[in-house]
Amino acid sequence: TQLLEQSPQFLSIQEGENLTVYCNSSSVFSSLQWYRQEPGEGPVLLVTVVTGGEVKKLKRLTFQFGDARKDSSLHITAAQPGDTGLYLCAGGPYSGAGSYQLTFGKGTKLSVIP
Amino acid sequence: DTEVTQTPKHLVMGMTNKKSLKCEQHMGHRAMYWYKQKAKKPPELMFVYSYEKLSINESVPSRFSPECPNSSLLNLHLHALQPEDSALYLCASSQDRGPTNEKLFFGSGTQLSVL
Repeated sequence: TQLLEQSPQFLSIQEGENLTVYCNSSSVFSSLQWYRQEPGEGPVLLVTVVTGGEVKKLKRLTFQFGDARKDSSLHITAAQPGDTGLYLCAGGPYSGAGSYQLTFGKGTKLSVIP
Repeated sequence: DTEVTQTPKHLVMGMTNKKSLKCEQHMGHRAMYWYKQKAKKPPELMFVYSYEKLSINESVPSRFSPECPNSSLLNLHLHALQPEDSALYLCASSQDRGPTNEKLFFGSGTQLSVL
């Protein structure tokens, strides 16, 4: 099993501040994904990064995949209360039979205070 | 329709009960998954069905029994559970998009409490 370490585990910031969440592994991933989960709901996919060094932007969220494809980061600019939630990175092998064996990092619980 | 629907949303059961969790999707996805999520923890993979065949069983105790009656439905049969099995059970589905293009769609989960 490929392990993913996320940091920080908890983050409480004021509205308008910037923040970065990290996802690290000793294993190489063909791709990594970022999900956001709200209480009582399932995770929702935000982005998939595939190419080493890739940067993807989703409004105020910027995702980067490390050159060696072992790590990724999520940067939020000018955080809003609506960004509050659990952010999870995930990755894992393609089974070759149409399914994916995703493993999740432990998550970063973000609280944005108005 | 891009939804994965799980029922029931909440379930309370005793250790001697038998119950089933249901999951349905109509996106034509051929892979379906069961994940277990304890409070303040990430989802943990339990089972994967690919083209209606069980392809991955992550050493889950036999008191959990998955079933995939057809490509749109996934069930999880529960029997003689323990209080430590209380968790949010998430169903997900995905389309076969090749090795680097995975996208899992998750349901809202069933919050299970075992008394």
